Amino acid sequence: ETGVTQTPRHLVMGMTNKKSLKCEQHLGHNAMYWYKQSAKKPLELMFVYSLEERVENNSVPSRFSPECPNSSHLFLHLHTLQPEDSALYLCASSQRTSGANEQFFGPGTRLTVL
Amino acid sequence: GENVEQHPSTLSVQEGDSAVIKCTYSDSASNYFPWYKQELGKGPQLIIDIRSNVGEKKDQRIAVTLNKTAKHFSLHITETQPEDSAVYFCAASRGWNAGNMLTFGGGTRLMVKP
Repeated sequence: ETGVTQTPRHLVMGMTNKKSLKCEQHLGHNAMYWYKQSAKKPLELMFVYSLEERVENNSVPSRFSPECPNSSHLFLHLHTLQPEDSALYLCASSQRTSGANEQFFGPGTRLTVL
Repeated sequence: GENVEQHPSTLSVQEGDSAVIKCTYSDSASNYFPWYKQELGKGPQLIIDIRSNVGEKKDQRIAVTLNKTAKHFSLHITETQPEDSAVYFCAASRGWNAGNMLTFGGGTRLMVKP
């Protein structure tokens, strides 16, 4: 595997379900991000983890719960979602060093909430 | 917080012509400005970026210009090809002083007609 991978690529869930999205980066980076991409809104940052600590929680509802067990893996745990949470969820990674800001994205998980 | 506006939302050009996409940002402390290309079913791919200490950067057919005083930056694609057809996003960031958060523009759908 190379780059940033995400599983599953597609997910359909009911409002009462609990599911998790997984992201893995193979770039040796130490920062990871979750973004939400909706049809009608720009890409929105949800969470940032740097050196496995959450740096930014961008006012995301508590029904989204991130987890970063190590620098290579990032999860987004989902529970009691709403239909408006249907979107493409993108993971990205970068290296936290001076002058390095480039973020590299995975292919995303297309989530549909029924 | 930062606000990034991107224009136009759609752009149609003839193969071989040039394409220009413009973005404005609101936070004068932003110092990193990447451009991403997103093809159908894929995550955004970084194509070029520029930092606030540079006015222009070029990579083959792609160039980016930055005007810090006016707080705007532009993407220029010359000799467009059908494979350039995609959605392009600009973004702005204050770097690791602010968690390396990216604020994205709304995107431009570029269509290159053969």
